[in-house]
Amino acid sequence: DGGITQSPKYLFRKEGQNVTLSCEQNLNHDAMYWYRQDPGQGLRLIYYSQIVNDFQKGDIAEGYSVSREKKESFPLTVTSAQKNPTAFYLCASSRGTALHEQYFGPGTRLTVT
Amino acid sequence: AQSVTQLGSHVSVSEGALVLLRCNYSSSVPPYLFWYVQYPNQGLQLLLKYTSAATLVKGINGFEAEFKKSETSFHLTKPSAHMSDAAEYFCAVSERGNKLVFGAGTILRVKS
Repeated sequence: DGGITQSPKYLFRKEGQNVTLSCEQNLNHDAMYWYRQDPGQGLRLIYYSQIVNDFQKGDIAEGYSVSREKKESFPLTVTSAQKNPTAFYLCASSRGTALHEQYFGPGTRLTVT
Repeated sequence: AQSVTQLGSHVSVSEGALVLLRCNYSSSVPPYLFWYVQYPNQGLQLLLKYTSAATLVKGINGFEAEFKKSETSFHLTKPSAHMSDAAEYFCAVSERGNKLVFGAGTILRVKS
């Protein structure tokens, strides 16, 4: 079955540590996205990539970094510079045009204490 | 820049009653519009999308939405609510650069 996998489902880290969230898709989609979800705020775009080896900042990129070395993979690193990293993180992919919907992974809930 | 407003962060209906979730958008170009549903601690699932074909769009699970350009609205409806419809619903509009702008979401509660 085609889809998007995110691992792990739950992640716990101490303040000051970097952490990398995994996102893999086997839908052969060109575009991939990372969102952060906080209660009552909807989804906010962190980074997106429309093609391998290229990515752009979204609305809240500060304190995050990404790479896109392979079409199927788009890992997100939450750095110690992110002031409030505890959140639910969602990865998505799409065919990369405006009329095509995004497909979402199951999410990773990150808790930093 | 495009934006989406979802009126009502929480909506409560009785089982069997009409579901109406409101979405208004702002866009400088003809928009593509989407409704997604999210169950607790899960990702988002597409309910339906508008891509400038028919203004009345039918989706999964008995939901439909009507695009009204004059009102810049794309409200989501379902004639008869089921307990399994309890979830959070997000309206989104596509933006330049193939990005989506999401509303803040509406939590639907279904009372038995």
